Amino acid sequence: AQSVAQPEDQVNVAEGNPLTVKCTYSVSGNPYLFWYVQYPNRGLQFLLKYITGDNLVKGSYGFEAEFNKSQTSFHLKKPSALVSDSALYFCAVTSASGTYKYIFGTGTRLKVLA
Amino acid sequence: DGGITQSPKYLFRKEGQNVTLSCEQNLNHDAMYWYRQDPGQGLRLIYYSQIVNDFQKGDIAEGYSVSREKKESFPLTVTSAQKNPTAFYLCASTSGHKREQYFGPGTRLTVT
Repeated sequence: AQSVAQPEDQVNVAEGNPLTVKCTYSVSGNPYLFWYVQYPNRGLQFLLKYITGDNLVKGSYGFEAEFNKSQTSFHLKKPSALVSDSALYFCAVTSASGTYKYIFGTGTRLKVLA
Repeated sequence: DGGITQSPKYLFRKEGQNVTLSCEQNLNHDAMYWYRQDPGQGLRLIYYSQIVNDFQKGDIAEGYSVSREKKESFPLTVTSAQKNPTAFYLCASTSGHKREQYFGPGTRLTVT
């Protein structure tokens, strides 16, 4: 069965410091991995995805993520956090060999402190 | 502008009433999805449709129904059989299996 784990409910980081939001996954077959951001009472916005190729993926707003097949992880990173990055972040996975079904993690709330 | 629209943004209903949430997309996407979001539980899949006139149950389909008569539209009906319908409902679409999903702004349903 497909699953996604986001082990931290909340991450606090000081503005200007690097940030990491963790995600691990389990799928049969090759994974397609995604990160989304959600602001209060809004829909999700796409940040980046890993389909194939380079393990380091760059996305919107300076975010990047590193795919690690051996650790089945896809952590979201940013070198220098902004207060405006404070939001709810979701990791999602679907399988290359499966249906069009996407599985989402429970979300991690990022709080960037000024 | 291309995108997904959901209406209304806020919806209030009395217990025992069915209610239909609207989702329309003009992105020419084949696949559409309905998710339910509750605090601390992330997004849970209710139904999805890969093509017109076909749809599949997700993880929490009980008490919900959908139709996909047009490519652009994927309405969700929350029936009186849904035991705890108060939640934030999100509609999404994608152009293909490797593609990211596009989300609508959501409908917050409150049932009292």
